[in-house]
Amino acid sequence: SQQGEEDPQALSIQEGENATMNCSYKTSINNLQWYRQNSGRGLVHLILIRSNEREKHSGRLRVTLDTSKKSSSLLITASRAADTASYFCAINTDKLIFGTGTRLQVFP
Amino acid sequence: EAGVTQFPSHSVIEKGQTVTLRCDPISGHDNLYWYRRVMGKEIKFLLHFVKESKQDESGMPNNRFLAERTGGTYSTLKVQPAELEDSGVYFCASSQTGAHDEQFFGPGTRLTVL
Repeated sequence: SQQGEEDPQALSIQEGENATMNCSYKTSINNLQWYRQNSGRGLVHLILIRSNEREKHSGRLRVTLDTSKKSSSLLITASRAADTASYFCAINTDKLIFGTGTRLQVFP
Repeated sequence: EAGVTQFPSHSVIEKGQTVTLRCDPISGHDNLYWYRRVMGKEIKFLLHFVKESKQDESGMPNNRFLAERTGGTYSTLKVQPAELEDSGVYFCASSQTGAHDEQFFGPGTRLTVL
């Protein structure tokens, strides 16, 4: 399977803590994208990192990409209860191939 | 600017019936995609339109699924006849310049086949 595989499957933390989610994949990619899905809602695009980039920041989000290890990580700093959601990585090979996601629960 | 919209938000049908899902992409987006998430599994690509043409339909599960995008605007996804395993959430997404760029997703249609 080419799909991204995410680790951990579920993560529970307290507000203010950092959350780190990892994604591994098996094929060559054009870019890798991270999405968030709040319960019962659509997918929200968070960040896109291209295959020639190693790190990217957007607000409290930091994404790294290691193409030699075929892995990426998403770090959410100073988490908030509103960050509670499922997070998906998606590798782009001409179409998006999603992982199974990480369920993040942030407790107030 | 309106985002991607999908209709209906939820559909409950019996096995053997027909259901048609609709997606309206962001205005001006030539690229339109369909994905689905079956219970507990990953979100899977179904197909990709560029304007009215099917660019990639490699993810379509079988010939019970028919997607159209007449006129290159909105798209429909018809399931006929529906089977139990078709239950899941069907997402539509659109992008402006191609498959390599950010895709904007709709809220999804939850399909339940009884």
